[in-house]
Amino acid sequence: DADVTQTPRNRITKTGKRIMLECSQTKGHDRMYWYRQDPGLGLRLIYYSFDVKDINKGEISDGYSVSRQAQAKFSLSLESAIPNQTALYFCATSDKQGVSDNEQFFGPGTRLTVL
Amino acid sequence: DQQVKQNSPSLSVQEGRISILNCDYTNSMFDYFLWYKKYPAEGPTFLISISSIKDKNEDGRFTVFLNKSAKHLSLHIVPSQPGDSAVYFCAARDLSGGYNKLIFGAGTRLAVHP
Repeated sequence: DADVTQTPRNRITKTGKRIMLECSQTKGHDRMYWYRQDPGLGLRLIYYSFDVKDINKGEISDGYSVSRQAQAKFSLSLESAIPNQTALYFCATSDKQGVSDNEQFFGPGTRLTVL
Repeated sequence: DQQVKQNSPSLSVQEGRISILNCDYTNSMFDYFLWYKKYPAEGPTFLISISSIKDKNEDGRFTVFLNKSAKHLSLHIVPSQPGDSAVYFCAARDLSGGYNKLIFGAGTRLAVHP
């Protein structure tokens, strides 16, 4: 079984709709992240959470919100989706202990298309 | 402005030869660097890393070199194999604000052909 899972894997929606992307992990890590990948721009950080009560904005948080429901769950919401939010979205986790903190483990991604 | 840059979007190498992927960064406060590999329809996976106190780290066929004065690092794959064909992301650790975050480059697509 995968350690970091994302649902849905693919989603097509319309402009103005609310969308939630979900991430679950079984690694027992405290830290979770949401990224988006766009061609030519690599992975950009949207939000990150270092524990259930600690949530921070990343590089490109406008238009997004998150919820850390439990240590193992971190969801990303688009309150009113727009076409330029069409991208590949990745969830990641990391362990806070020592050098392991530097390595992040990624889910398989969610491909979101906003029409 | 991107703090981590991978200026070559793609690279094609013959099987058995060396692949060299390059990465430049602008922030001298970055102190730890990682390379991730990504296959289609999968998330990135960690490949190799290097601390800024070192100039080389080797793991099997993969070696990462760091030149701090030039703010440049490179990933060498020797010998290259068809299974190495993937997108490679360079990342740098950013500790600003008291949080440990990774800043990624745009990626380089490596194609290893027979």
